[in-house]
Amino acid sequence: EPEVTQTPSHQVTQMGQEVILRCVPISNHLYFYWYRQILGQKVEFLVSFYNNEISEKSEIFDDQFSVERPDGSNFTLKIRSTKLEDSAMYFCASIRTGTGYTFGSGTRLTVV
Amino acid sequence: GQSLEQPSEVTAVEGAIVQINCTYQTSGFYGLSWYQQHDGGAPTFLSYNALDGLEETGRFSSFLSRSDSYGYLLLQELQMKDSASYFCAVKLDNQGGKLIFGQGTELSVKP
Repeated sequence: EPEVTQTPSHQVTQMGQEVILRCVPISNHLYFYWYRQILGQKVEFLVSFYNNEISEKSEIFDDQFSVERPDGSNFTLKIRSTKLEDSAMYFCASIRTGTGYTFGSGTRLTVV
Repeated sequence: GQSLEQPSEVTAVEGAIVQINCTYQTSGFYGLSWYQQHDGGAPTFLSYNALDGLEETGRFSSFLSRSDSYGYLLLQELQMKDSASYFCAVKLDNQGGKLIFGQGTELSVKP
């Protein structure tokens, strides 16, 4: 079964540093997303991406965040200057159409 | 604002049936999904209801009442491996719209 692949699985970074989280969505999917989940809390929407541009973003997705689809396969989330409160699990997801989103297994980001 | 309410935890025994309820108040509504998450891993899609009524997929069923802004996930013949967190999530539009998740229900299945 096709998978959404995320790397790295764990990332530890110092406060103020830039991080790039990488995702390879399912190849024929059209819509791509980043969600995050702070430990023990619900999954929160960050941003959606369609047709090579952001289609929607949440209040969490401020100027410190950016997304790119640099080639036909990768989809990245960049956090320019990490804060302690950015520590969370970050999930990439994709969907072609329909109802069932496929999530990656996540990147656990720890900001120290 | 957007809110989805579900119980924080439920405990049941192997072989039993358990129902996890979800009520929602959202700015839009296209359908209600259910996702399973083991130990903070990838949320896995279980089921989806766009219309009122019951959808059955093996041991799992999901129900929706749009007029009541209410749905539930029914798990039958519980197995130990069903111990996980279960999230309801509202899909806000027909296209690739975002999902709004509830806080999750932690299900513990006991022998």
